[in-house]
Amino acid sequence: QSALTQPASVSGSPGQSITISCTGTSSDVGGYNYVSWYQQHPGKAPKLMIYEVSNRPSGVSNRFSGSKSGNTASLTISGLQAEDEADYYCSSYTSSSTYVVFGGGTKLTVL
Amino acid sequence: EVQLVQSGAEVKKPGESLKISCKGSGYSFTSYWIGWVRQMPGKGLEWMGIIYPGDSDTRYSPSFQGQVTISADKSISTAYLQWSSLKASDTAMYYCVRGISSGWYGGFDYWGQGTLVTVSS
Repeated sequence: QSALTQPASVSGSPGQSITISCTGTSSDVGGYNYVSWYQQHPGKAPKLMIYEVSNRPSGVSNRFSGSKSGNTASLTISGLQAEDEADYYCSSYTSSSTYVVFGGGTKLTVL
Repeated sequence: EVQLVQSGAEVKKPGESLKISCKGSGYSFTSYWIGWVRQMPGKGLEWMGIIYPGDSDTRYSPSFQGQVTISADKSISTAYLQWSSLKASDTAMYYCVRGISSGWYGGFDYWGQGTLVTVSS
């Protein structure tokens, strides 16, 4: 069982918006602004999409946005496109000796 | 262009040792933390540990402490992940990652292409 909880799957139609949640505790998500999100297409290495809760790396589409409320972080993808279909993982720094924890991943299907 | 280039796939037997590598280029290798992430077949991501090549400061996830060794040779801009005695359960894809500039807690901005390690008798 992963330290951070994500829905196993979400889906949406092209052009719609979807949100993926990532729930932790006050020792990780809720306690620090160190949440990041990664996109992974099948057979490929993950790609950083959001860092430090809401910052987008250079080159990442502004259709991707991140936020946090309490112990839950969220990744929102607006204007869904077929190429967004992938697995998405959240991650957070944790005050435990583990240092970094990942969510179990969410499979996004674009209908 | 920042790149992390990992060594090739490995097939090993249980009990054998292994050292895989990750060469960084296009940036100051000694100024960024380099970590390792495991992905078992069909599963999610697991953080293993991280090293700062500038002074070899190393941190491990408790799940991997004592099971693997992370090291770096800054003279050749290369980080390593090694096992002294592999188990079948070590079969996985291993990614090296670079911590973002403001500190590795915030995320990993570059990923290697992955090294597939298969351990089978």
